[in-house]
Amino acid sequence: EVQLLESGGGLVQPGGSLRLSCEASGFTFSSYAMSWVRQAPGKGLEWVSLISASDDSTFYADSVKGRFTISRDNSKNTLYLQLNSLRAEDTALYYCAKRSSGSGTYFDYWGQGTLVTVSS
Amino acid sequence: EVVVTQSPATLSVSPGERATLSCRASQSVSSNLAWYQQKPGQAPRLLISGASTRATGVPARFSGSGSGTEFTLTISSLQSEDLAVYCCQQYNKWPLTFGGGTKVEIK
Repeated sequence: EVQLLESGGGLVQPGGSLRLSCEASGFTFSSYAMSWVRQAPGKGLEWVSLISASDDSTFYADSVKGRFTISRDNSKNTLYLQLNSLRAEDTALYYCAKRSSGSGTYFDYWGQGTLVTVSS
Repeated sequence: EVVVTQSPATLSVSPGERATLSCRASQSVSSNLAWYQQKPGQAPRLLISGASTRATGVPARFSGSGSGTEFTLTISSLQSEDLAVYCCQQYNKWPLTFGGGTKVEIK
């Protein structure tokens, strides 16, 4: 059974930093691209970032480019998102999602999310 | 970026009736569109990819259609457990973009 377990969220002041983690199990982690998708309170889903299976390609939404860094450790089956220079508008539930094995970049499994709140 | 717009924002349907949800892209995304179901307090669940291909385990009452800029998700006979927000996502161009969602209520 595929499982994605996010952690690392919390309350942080504007300008602060956090590191989110997503521990994966139930599939060959090193074979799949992984992504972070966020959902602000009462809002829709917003794609944040994606990293290729082998860690050689990364993609970011313009809203987080230069502030967030996605990475992975295939030996630990873990995905990361480093969040720097946080703003109030980064407040959201952050989901880890597995790219499907099908043609195209959509997501067949999602974690339950970790909440990031940016507030003074 | 490709803007994805969903309508209506809320849809109220009686059990057993058909629900029709719309998703429109600001430019052609070919058939590179997925639909997700998000029940209250839960993570999204993949329903449809390639505009019309049901994901594993998705009941046959869910169907997707369309290509280019206009897409439809149909629930042929609404069940009480279908109460959820339904969201579409285009994956034809970067950045990946999602629609704002349609909330399906049980009348």
